Amino acid sequence: AQKVTQAQTEISVVEKEDVTLDCVYETRDTTYYLFWYKQPPSGELVFLIRRNSFDEQNEISGRYSWNFQKSTSSFNFTITASQVVDSAVYFCALCWYTGGFKTIFGAGTRLFVKA
Amino acid sequence: DAGVIQSPRHEVTEMGQEVTLRCKPISGHDYLFWYRQTMMRGLELLIYFNNNVPIDDSGMPEDRFSAKMPNASFSTLKIQPSEPRDSAVYFCASSLNWYYGYTFGSGTRLTVV
Repeated sequence: AQKVTQAQTEISVVEKEDVTLDCVYETRDTTYYLFWYKQPPSGELVFLIRRNSFDEQNEISGRYSWNFQKSTSSFNFTITASQVVDSAVYFCALCWYTGGFKTIFGAGTRLFVKA
Repeated sequence: DAGVIQSPRHEVTEMGQEVTLRCKPISGHDYLFWYRQTMMRGLELLIYFNNNVPIDDSGMPEDRFSAKMPNASFSTLKIQPSEPRDSAVYFCASSLNWYYGYTFGSGTRLTVV
């Protein structure tokens, strides 16, 4: 069965520290998509990135970077030089198609960045 | 574009009352999703529509829940009768396609007392 595990429930760092949020997924499908979303204290969910199962290239966007490794079924998210505004809950999600598509979200990792 | 618009932002109702949540998706997005978020169960997909047609409602918890999408720019999620365990944040989201990232609305925080 498909599964998304975000083992880190909460992480607390001091501003300017680098932090990596882990995401491990399980699926038997060969075609799937992985996502990261951010939920700041205001409550809305913001899409950050999508990766398909055939594209293992890492991606960097400003202070954010993502490392996708099929060999370990992981899609980790690193924030470099964290800032207070990065404080949020971050969700990893897995989407696949089997006669209709399904999406499941991980439980989320709450990140506290202290000034 | 104003994004996905949900109303109301907050709703407090008494047990047994009917509750209607509303959503306006982004124009041109063919997919619309209703999610529920609780501390215990996290984010759960309730139902999704493709081109206004309900495709998968397997996440709808009970017959008390119903959703409609009468046109491409409007959807409702109705709970009748409401119960305290329905208290949650309900999100509407839309997307160009099922494998694209979703744009979420601000959510409706529902409290049933």
